Amino acid sequence: DQQVKQNSPSLSVQEGRISILNCDYTNSMFDYFLWYKKYPAEGPTFLISISSIKDKNEDGRFTVFLNKSAKHLSLHIVPSQPGDSAVYFCAATNDYKLSFGAGTTVTVRA
Amino acid sequence: NAGVMQNPRHLVRRRGQEARLRCSPMKGHSHVYWYRQLPEEGLKFMVYLQKENIIDESGMPKERFSAEFPKEGPSILRIQQVVRGDSAAYFCASSPLGASYEQYFGPGTRLTVT
Repeated sequence: DQQVKQNSPSLSVQEGRISILNCDYTNSMFDYFLWYKKYPAEGPTFLISISSIKDKNEDGRFTVFLNKSAKHLSLHIVPSQPGDSAVYFCAATNDYKLSFGAGTTVTVRA
Repeated sequence: NAGVMQNPRHLVRRRGQEARLRCSPMKGHSHVYWYRQLPEEGLKFMVYLQKENIIDESGMPKERFSAEFPKEGPSILRIQQVVRGDSAAYFCASSPLGASYEQYFGPGTRLTVT
């Protein structure tokens, strides 16, 4: 049963523009949300996280927004850079088990 | 400051053979987690271990799969009598004590069953 969904398998964005990645979840018990970035043949790398008591968290070019009533979160990357081309996974948890979405492949065009 | 280490990076096994995947957590981390990623899917939780203890193995198939994290040495994920459906990328993560949300992932082992 897929508790975390990323409905866009891919996203193409021009360098310098904003990338917006979306994620929906169904389990209202989740209280911590994370975004990971993954390059081919490597493991996921932690990017940014947010607790359910907040609705926004910012770290440099990355901002995560959480809308609990809609059970939706999004990751904004601005400005997008060529090195941002990767697969991005949304994950959620309320203990130690991370539930992952299927990922969104981001391609940043020059 | 080495990160999470996994070996081998690639493993090819014939149907019916055994696969052993190893994971060394980050220095100072005492919690290890194994996840499996099937093609076109996200990572799925398999098992959570602390030194000499299996805390939660609810995501691991009941048959043929086992995991351990001994007092000395790496954590081992063992798959006996592999089948084609076991072909996947297996990722190990570790976290420090008291911070199970902060999971740092290794590079993964890609298992191919022929």
